[in-house]
Amino acid sequence: QKEVEQNSGPLSVPEGAIASLNCTYSDRVSQSFFWYRQYSGKSPELIMSIYSNGDKEDGRFTAQLNKASQYVSLLIRDSQPSDSATYLCAVNMRDSGYALNFGKGTSLLVTP
Amino acid sequence: DGGITQSPKYLFRKEGQNVTLSCEQNLNHDAMYWYRQDPGQGLRLIYYSQIVNDFQKGDIAEGYSVSREKKESFPLTVTSAQKNPTAFYLCASTPLGGYNEQFFGPGTRLTVL
Repeated sequence: QKEVEQNSGPLSVPEGAIASLNCTYSDRVSQSFFWYRQYSGKSPELIMSIYSNGDKEDGRFTAQLNKASQYVSLLIRDSQPSDSATYLCAVNMRDSGYALNFGKGTSLLVTP
Repeated sequence: DGGITQSPKYLFRKEGQNVTLSCEQNLNHDAMYWYRQDPGQGLRLIYYSQIVNDFQKGDIAEGYSVSREKKESFPLTVTSAQKNPTAFYLCASTPLGGYNEQFFGPGTRLTVL
């Protein structure tokens, strides 16, 4: 069974701080990795995708990928209360029509 | 506007009843997916389709059925054989050809009465 693991949290950070979210995956042949944000009762919203080792920055978000360690992370700089949500890590499954294998999500709470 | 629509937003099912959830996209995407989400859980794959008139079972297909008669549409039927159908159902689509980003519809919340 291919696994995607995340700490469930909740992760609590003060407003303006950096939030660090982590994810590990078991399938060594995985090629693409995604971070989705999900507000309560809503569908997931794609916020970052990363395909190569290293960092990828988009505004306040930075995704980091280390394929050798099978580890992907998301940093949120200058965290805002509106960032409070559940963050889902997802990995493509080539043998399932490139469907996504999701972790259970990390709940983030940004306190004013 | 391009996007994925799902209907209804809320659905209530009686015991022994089949219900169909609609998913439509106008993004010209080839591949479409159905996922199920239970409280505090990640999404689990029910069915997927990469081309019209072809679909494959995912990890939790038992008690569900799908069709793909048109590129734009991928309806999911929850049958009476699904013993615990209360969940949040999410449809997604992506262009065919590899490791592309998937985009989700707004979801249907199904409750068994």
